[in-house]
Amino acid sequence: DVKVTQSSRYLVKRTGEKVFLECVQDMDHENMFWYRQDPGLGLRLIYFSYDVKMKEKGDIPEGYSVSREKKERFSLILESASTNQTSMYLCASSLIDSYNSPLHFGNGTRLTVT
Amino acid sequence: EDQVTQSPEALRLQEGESSSLNCSYTVSGLRGLFWYRQDPGKGPEFLFTLYSAGEEKEKERLKATLTKKESFLHITAPKPEDSATYLCAVGSSARQLTFGSGTQLTVLP
Repeated sequence: DVKVTQSSRYLVKRTGEKVFLECVQDMDHENMFWYRQDPGLGLRLIYFSYDVKMKEKGDIPEGYSVSREKKERFSLILESASTNQTSMYLCASSLIDSYNSPLHFGNGTRLTVT
Repeated sequence: EDQVTQSPEALRLQEGESSSLNCSYTVSGLRGLFWYRQDPGKGPEFLFTLYSAGEEKEKERLKATLTKKESFLHITAPKPEDSATYLCAVGSSARQLTFGSGTQLTVLP
């Protein structure tokens, strides 16, 4: 079974802090994704990566950046956290494109920015 | 712009009471329609992929169907352990997956 591990289940940060969310997958998947999940809005794609050191913007990239230095690791960075970034963050991986193979999700990081 | 709408937002059923969840979509060039299940405190878990109108997939008490405009997730004789949020997502030629906001299903014993 594919395992996608997110380093923190809960995080509380202050406005203006730089925040790192880490994600590791163990199945040699090419593609990795960061989503945020908010009530009534569903999952929204922030960034994705289809290869090491490659990244593509999703639907809501503003205020975020990503890093993929190794194939198994995909990091989401909040350069200066704001209260409207309080959310559940979900990392996912897929073998190939997300519309051709299922996404495998981690259990999420619930981030609160105060 | 791809759009996915799920209904109802929430559904409460008695154990054994069959029902259906709806996912309607508008996309430019459907590549695939996905159903996921999400339990509280966990990430979504893949259930089905449907690629073309008329296709059906089954798994235990769940059956997913697809038309050109919508997909249904039929739940036959549900049990309390089927309680979860069910998410629908579509992939198109233009973009990565677009998710609906989900249907929260509660099955009462």
